[in-house]
Amino acid sequence: DVKVTQSSRYLVKRTGEKVFLECVQDMDHENMFWYRQDPGLGLRLIYFSYDVKMKEKGDIPEGYSVSREKKERFSLILESASTNQTSMYLCASSSSGGPTYEQYFGPGTRLTVT
Amino acid sequence: ILNVEQSPQSLHVQEGDSTNFTCSFPSSNFYALHWYRWETAKSPEALFVMTLNGDEKKKGRISATLNTKEGYSYLYIKGSQPEDSATYLCAKYNTDKLIFGTGTRLQVFP
Repeated sequence: DVKVTQSSRYLVKRTGEKVFLECVQDMDHENMFWYRQDPGLGLRLIYFSYDVKMKEKGDIPEGYSVSREKKERFSLILESASTNQTSMYLCASSSSGGPTYEQYFGPGTRLTVT
Repeated sequence: ILNVEQSPQSLHVQEGDSTNFTCSFPSSNFYALHWYRWETAKSPEALFVMTLNGDEKKKGRISATLNTKEGYSYLYIKGSQPEDSATYLCAKYNTDKLIFGTGTRLQVFP
C-alpha cells in the first residue's frame, strides 16, 4: 500500500513565523502535490512537482514556496505565516502525471496561525 | 478558472436508503474524472477514475456514471450504511492537475 505521511496532524504558529510542512511518500512516486482545504472551497492546489528539484505553481501559490530535494519528500514552506493561511493542508502523490493516475493523500495537517 | 460543482453540499439519510449525488464540470477538453471518498480523520481515497462517455464503474454498493458530452457524473450508493458517512469529492483532470469540487458530505444515521 502507498503510504503518504505528513509531519504533523496539528500545528499552531504565530503570525510572521516561518513554517515548514513536510510530506514523505514511500512508493517512489514521481509526482507530489500540496493542497489546502477550506470550508466551502474544496481542495485547492498550491504547488506540485514532477521530479526532484522541479516545481510548478498551482492555483494559489502566493505566500508559499516548496522544496523537493529528494524524490520521496516534498516540503511546503510558509515564509511568513499569516492568519489567512490557517487551513487544512493535504499532501498527495501519484506515480505519474497522466489523467488516469489516482492521487494518494496524506492525513492532512491542520495549521492554525494566531 | 475551471469550475467543478457538486450537489448537494450535504445529505442526511437513514441506514438502508439509497442515495445519489452529482458532479458537474465543463465538457470541453475532457480527459478524466476522479471520485474520492474522505472519511473524517482519515486521508481521501480514490474510488473511481473514469474516462469514457457512458462509462459506469462499480465498487461494492457504490457506482458511478459519466456523461462527458453534457459534463456530469453521478455517484450512487445503494443501501447506505453508517460506514459510508464521508465527504465525496469529484475532480476533473485539467492540464497536469486535478480540479476538485467542493464535495458532498454524506451522513448515514442508523
